[in-house]
Amino acid sequence: GEDVEQSLFLSVREGDSSVINCTYTDSSSTYLYWYKQEPGAGLQLLTYIFSNMDMKQDQRLTVLLNKKDKHLSLRIADTQTGDSAIYFCADPSSASKIIFGSGTRLSIRP
Amino acid sequence: IAGITQAPTSQILAAGRRMTLRCTQDMRHNAMYWYRQDLGLGLRLIHYSNTAGTTGKGEVPDGYSVSRANTDDFPLTLASAVPSQTSVYFCASSDGGNSPLHFGNGTRLTVT
Repeated sequence: GEDVEQSLFLSVREGDSSVINCTYTDSSSTYLYWYKQEPGAGLQLLTYIFSNMDMKQDQRLTVLLNKKDKHLSLRIADTQTGDSAIYFCADPSSASKIIFGSGTRLSIRP
Repeated sequence: IAGITQAPTSQILAAGRRMTLRCTQDMRHNAMYWYRQDLGLGLRLIHYSNTAGTTGKGEVPDGYSVSRANTDDFPLTLASAVPSQTSVYFCASSDGGNSPLHFGNGTRLTVT
């Protein structure tokens, strides 16, 4: 069945770049999403990429999509303490079946 | 402020008790969803509703029921709670299709 996989943890030094990776199995989606979850809160849409794009840049965020390998990544430049959160990759394979990864917990070292 | 409201924020419940988690949205979204979030498992879909009057089963529906009497409300009921239903529950809504989901702040439920 459809699946989305992410590593569970990532630790980076403040000011460095963070790269969060995701692999997915269903390639029929029009979009792929990245959500951010801060402590005690629900998920918030962070960014998205159309499935016909290879890259999308939005200020400190860069999303790369490799459709051949079904690999999605989120790069956060100049990582700050406020970026500490859990990041979820999501593949909306159908209206009733949005597949979320397990989430990557990003922690920032001083 | 438009969005999704969930209640209660947290609850401790004795096993065997009945509990309804409330969810209301004011964005007039057609689709609504209930997820549970467990450490290491990400979000798993419990039930969904594509439009008022219809519901469907998600990945982990057993022990839960939902209703969608109108567009705004989508309550989730645990008929007889068990400890394995201890989790954080999120309600979400969307315009449907591939539209992004909007999430509530969650209900933290502990079943003892």
